[in-house]
Amino acid sequence: SYELIQPPSTSVSPGQTARITCFGDVFPNQFAYWYQQKPGQAPVLVIYKDTERPSGIPERFSGSTSGTTVTLTITGVQAEDEADYYCQSPDSGGIYRVFGGGTKLTVL
Amino acid sequence: VQLVESGGGLVKPGGSLKLSCAGSGFTFSTYAMNWVRQAPGKGLEWVSSISSESHYIYYADSVKGRFTISRDNSKNSLFLQMDSLRAEDSALYFCVYTVPGALGSFDYWGQGTLVTVSS
Repeated sequence: SYELIQPPSTSVSPGQTARITCFGDVFPNQFAYWYQQKPGQAPVLVIYKDTERPSGIPERFSGSTSGTTVTLTITGVQAEDEADYYCQSPDSGGIYRVFGGGTKLTVL
Repeated sequence: VQLVESGGGLVKPGGSLKLSCAGSGFTFSTYAMNWVRQAPGKGLEWVSSISSESHYIYYADSVKGRFTISRDNSKNSLFLQMDSLRAEDSALYFCVYTVPGALGSFDYWGQGTLVTVSS
């Protein structure tokens, strides 16, 4: 198996830009996916295939990739964006799915 | 679209439990399905996946040999048979679908059913 490594927490003020990174040797050979989970709720997919945004997800959410690091960027953070964010990817064989440990985003 | 899990509860170590997930509002038979769990206060952990026609089935190493995923497309239902349960299997178990053509993503999640393994 392999690991995806995320910082445990980050904080930003409303209106600022939040960047959450995820490191893994599986990148760039596999796509990254990002999920938002608010307290007491099920996760929601916010970015798929590194950079694509599902319908209904605000444009302030974007994804990027550079070598073995993928990044979720939230431009113009709002109070409602406070949540845990998880990166995820299949392994190199496309069989196992692994999640990062999650990053808690606090909006100050 | 709805995914509704059921079957969770309190079970003793070494015991068994069978989770169910009822899907509606989408063409269940064409979607790959998955189970993902989350221990209290912890992160997400992939458990198992099954392709639309059950041709491909995968398990996390932590549950391989103890859990069995299955589906009944005629009843729009997904199942997870959990045997030889351990305390570390205690978690909220989510039923999740993957849209046709997607690879490795978890596109829509149910609200989960809670499994507690304790004596």
